Amino acid sequence: AQSVTQPDIHITVSEGASLELRCNYSYGATPYLFWYVQSPGQGLQLLLKYFSGDTLVQGIKGFEAEFKRSQSSFNLRKPSVHWSDAAEYFCAVGNIDYKLSFGAGTTVTVRA
Amino acid sequence: DAGVIQSPRHEVTEMGQEVTLRCKPISGHNSLFWYRQTMMRGLELLIYFNNNVPIDDSGMPEDRFSAKMPNASFSTLKIQPSEPRDSAVYFCASSLDGQPQHFGDGTRLSIL
Repeated sequence: AQSVTQPDIHITVSEGASLELRCNYSYGATPYLFWYVQSPGQGLQLLLKYFSGDTLVQGIKGFEAEFKRSQSSFNLRKPSVHWSDAAEYFCAVGNIDYKLSFGAGTTVTVRA
Repeated sequence: DAGVIQSPRHEVTEMGQEVTLRCKPISGHNSLFWYRQTMMRGLELLIYFNNNVPIDDSGMPEDRFSAKMPNASFSTLKIQPSEPRDSAVYFCASSLDGQPQHFGDGTRLSIL
């Protein structure tokens, strides 16, 4: 069975500060991993994905994530957050065509 | 490029009524997914189509729910009869083989 755990329900960060969102997964094979962002009243937008190869992947909006097989983790980072980064972030695992399992999400609040 | 289009964006109806949610996937995509998002259960996959054929409907909660995809550019999710516990945001997503899923903006459904 596949599953995703996002340990942090809510994170508050100051504008300009760095951000790291944690994601741990359980998957029986080589995982396909994703981070999506959801702004209020909108759908999910893909930030980045990991299929294979380089374990540090770059995404849109200045985000990056690192795949660590030994820790079953796929943490999302951004060096300097902007007020527009306030949103809910979802980590997902699965096959890229089918049956993604999503974490519960982490809400990010950005304070001025 | 037009993304995944869902209608209506909001639906409020009384318990017992039939509800039909609609989705137009991205042109050329051959997989379509219906998800439900609630505070209690997060994002759940309800059903998945590939080339207009339902592949896995194990996430459909009960017989009151049904989904169809009569052609490559249209899908419906129907609830009959609706119940208050069906209140949620319903998302449609589409993808092309080997590519991540793209989400619509969702339908916020309230059953009174």
